[in-house]
Amino acid sequence: GQQLNQSPQSMFIQEGEDVSMNCTSSSIFNTWLWYKQDPGEGPVLLIALYKAGELTSNGRLTAQFGITRKDSFLNISASIPSDVGIYFCAGMRGANNLFFGTGTRLTVIP
Amino acid sequence: KAGVTQTPRYLIKTRGQQVTLSCSPISGHRSVSWYQQTPGQGLQFLFEYFSETQRNKGNFPGRFSGRQFSNSRSEMNVSTLELGDSALYLCASSSFQTSEYGYTFGSGTRLTVV
Repeated sequence: GQQLNQSPQSMFIQEGEDVSMNCTSSSIFNTWLWYKQDPGEGPVLLIALYKAGELTSNGRLTAQFGITRKDSFLNISASIPSDVGIYFCAGMRGANNLFFGTGTRLTVIP
Repeated sequence: KAGVTQTPRYLIKTRGQQVTLSCSPISGHRSVSWYQQTPGQGLQFLFEYFSETQRNKGNFPGRFSGRQFSNSRSEMNVSTLELGDSALYLCASSSFQTSEYGYTFGSGTRLTVV
């Protein structure tokens, strides 16, 4: 199945640092979603973006829907240890299914 | 409100057997989707059901099937299990009748085929 290109694959950062990750696709999406997955659990929705150019924040998280509708980025400010996990982007065209990114594994060093 | 519930959490099966996984969506959600997650392939879409009808299907062999009941609960079945079917199977539910959007995932069923 189709997957979105997500980068970086992994990140090791110091607590308090800001984090940036992005997702690109060769196809246009109408909705971009960002999820976080903890070990042994399902992904949890962090932010949903519905319009090209939209910038949305959720606490220390900020995400943007690219103008071309083929990309999105997620920023985490002032990282804390509980930010550790795998972050996935997902694109939707209709209401039926999600295409997931390859994931970014984030490690926060206290 | 209760989240998406998947049972069982863990399962060990032998090659050639079949398995049925269950998913109870959030109350009021009528769309249920299934995903397979493996280290090598990531999250792959299996199929999606809405009001007991399969609306969309991913690129998986016919050994993978599913169904949805009138109460929106869904099951997926894998027949003639192969070692490569070992994965975390995730179910997600969604409602498009409220302002709520996106998919809410369950904790998954980890299937190990030996």
